[in-house]
Formats: sequence, structure tokens, C-alpha cells
Amino acid sequence: AQTVTQSQPEMSVQEAETVTLSCTYDTSENNYYLFWYKQPPSRQMILVIRQEAYKQQNATENRFSVNFQKAAKSFSLKISDSQLGDTAMYFCAFMKEAAGNKLTFGGGTRVLVKP
Amino acid sequence: DTGVSQNPRHKITKRGQNVTFRCDPISEHNRLYWYRQTLGQGPEFLTYFQNEAQLEKSRLLSDRFSAERPKGSFSTLEIQRTEQGDSAMYLCASSSSVGVYGYTFGSGTRLTVV
Repeated sequence: AQTVTQSQPEMSVQEAETVTLSCTYDTSENNYYLFWYKQPPSRQMILVIRQEAYKQQNATENRFSVNFQKAAKSFSLKISDSQLGDTAMYFCAFMKEAAGNKLTFGGGTRVLVKP
Repeated sequence: DTGVSQNPRHKITKRGQNVTFRCDPISEHNRLYWYRQTLGQGPEFLTYFQNEAQLEKSRLLSDRFSAERPKGSFSTLEIQRTEQGDSAMYLCASSSSVGVYGYTFGSGTRLTVV
């Protein structure tokens, strides 16, 4: 079974600065997908960024980028130029290829952006 | 299409009562998932459907839990004889089986068992 670990329960960052969230996972699979989801307070979970394990190039979506280290089984998320609206829980998630698209989530990191 | 819709948003019930939640997925999505999320934790997989077929159930889904997706459209999750430990947010999500693009989640149903 796959496991996903987020070792930082909470992070705070000043507006306009950069914060990096860590995520490690354990799997014996070679082909899989990794995701970061954002869950704002009392709002639905939304997809932030997605990475295919067979791609070496790190995914980027506007101010969000990842550092994917396959050998180390590490998948960190960098939020640049943090905005107040980035305040949320962030979840790292793993999906095995051809497994019905079932996601395994980490425990989450709460990010607080301070003005 | 307005996304994934879940009803009710909140449900308070007495221990021992039965409750049913409904999820309406994005119409083009043939896969539908149920997850449970307790406070401060990540979502845990419960079950998923491809069209009307329930293809996988987690060990978390005890005999008191049942899910259906008649005709491959909306889905219901029923909990019988609720217990205080069932208090959680129940999340529904949908996706297409073509490609891997992550899920679209609903806003969830928060269940409180008193």
C-alpha cells in the first residue's frame, strides 16, 4: 500500500514571500501521478498542480511549482509571491496508474499567509 | 454544469439513526468517489464507481455503510445505526476514466452524530 507523509502540520508566510511545503511518499510502483490539492477554510478542495512520474520536468502552474525527486520519493510544493487567498490546507496526494484513479492523501499542511 | 453537488451540506443526527447523503457528479464524468475526512486529517478513500458498477470498497466501509449509483448518474451514501465515530466530512468527487487529470470535488456533507 502507498503512504503519503507531510511532515509540516503548519506553515506561516508573509504576503509576497515564498513558502515550500514538503511531501514524501512510499511506493514500489514505477508509473504514478502526484498531486497537490488546496482546501480553503469551509470550501471545497481544488487541484493546484499535477505531476506524472515518468516526466522529469517539474510541473509549474503560475505561482505554484513542484520539485519532484523520484529517486528520493519527494514531491515538494513551492508557492511564490504568496497571497492572502493562498491561506488554506494543502494536501499532497498519490495515484497509482491504472488503479481506478484512487487517490491516497497525506495528512495536510496548514498554510497561513500573513499581511 | 455547475460542478459536483452534494446534499445536504450539514446533517446532525442522533446516535442510532440512519442518514443518507446524495452526490451529483459532473455529467461527463463516469467515475464517482466517496471519501471521508475527519478534522485536521487528509481524506480517506471509501469507495468508487465506474458508471453504475461499484468497483472498490475500503475496509473503512463497514457493514453499516452502503453506497449506490443507479443508472450511473447520482450516487447515495447511506450510514445505518450511526455512531459518534461516524462524525466527519463526507466528500464526493468525480472524474473521467479517460486520462488522469485529478478529481473535481464537491463541497462535502458534514455529519455530526450526537
